[in-house]
Amino acid sequence: NAGVTQTPKFQVLKTGQSMTLQCAQDMNHEYMSWYRQDPGMGLRLIHYSVGAGITDQGEVPNGYNVSRSTTEDFPLRLLSAAPSQTSVYFCASSYFPTPNTEAFFGQGTRLTVV
Amino acid sequence: KNEVEQSPQNLTAQEGEFITINCSYSVGISALHWLQQHPGGGIVSLFMLSSGKKKHGRLIATINIQEKHSSLHITASHPRDSAVYICAVSGSRLTFGEGTQLTVNP
Repeated sequence: NAGVTQTPKFQVLKTGQSMTLQCAQDMNHEYMSWYRQDPGMGLRLIHYSVGAGITDQGEVPNGYNVSRSTTEDFPLRLLSAAPSQTSVYFCASSYFPTPNTEAFFGQGTRLTVV
Repeated sequence: KNEVEQSPQNLTAQEGEFITINCSYSVGISALHWLQQHPGGGIVSLFMLSSGKKKHGRLIATINIQEKHSSLHITASHPRDSAVYICAVSGSRLTFGEGTQLTVNP
């Protein structure tokens, strides 16, 4: 049972480049989400999905797109990378709609935009 | 003011010491989570609790709903406990504290 798998683990982008961070889970979780982690701040929600075909914005959605074509996959797209998007990104999944459920996190992607 | 406040931000201990990390929150919640993040690694859920106390090995988590406060205790600390410990609360979504960096020296 792999849990939540995130790729890549590290990435360096030039300003203006685009890329997709991949996230996949094999636990049949309905709820998936993307967070960014910056020094001195708690994890902040970028986008989330409550099931295939349904996505919504979190606290800091600007500059990011998501889609959810299957229950398993929830990719995060950076359309035109900016230095302000340098961060560590985490994908997470859990059962939904019950709020009192354990969240499972991926290993993180350390992204540097130069 | 953040909705979730953790203290201390940094904590250094000697192996074997009893450690306490505190979490206070200002919003209504349905559950509180304690998470562990090792350097360069992912985030792992340690506890999820909505009342009382939970214990797993040397780790104990307590919550006081009336006071909106939770504590994570580590008994007989070990260098492998060195990590960032994150408190998060479940309301309409997960809201995270900034984390507590724990270093346990041998």
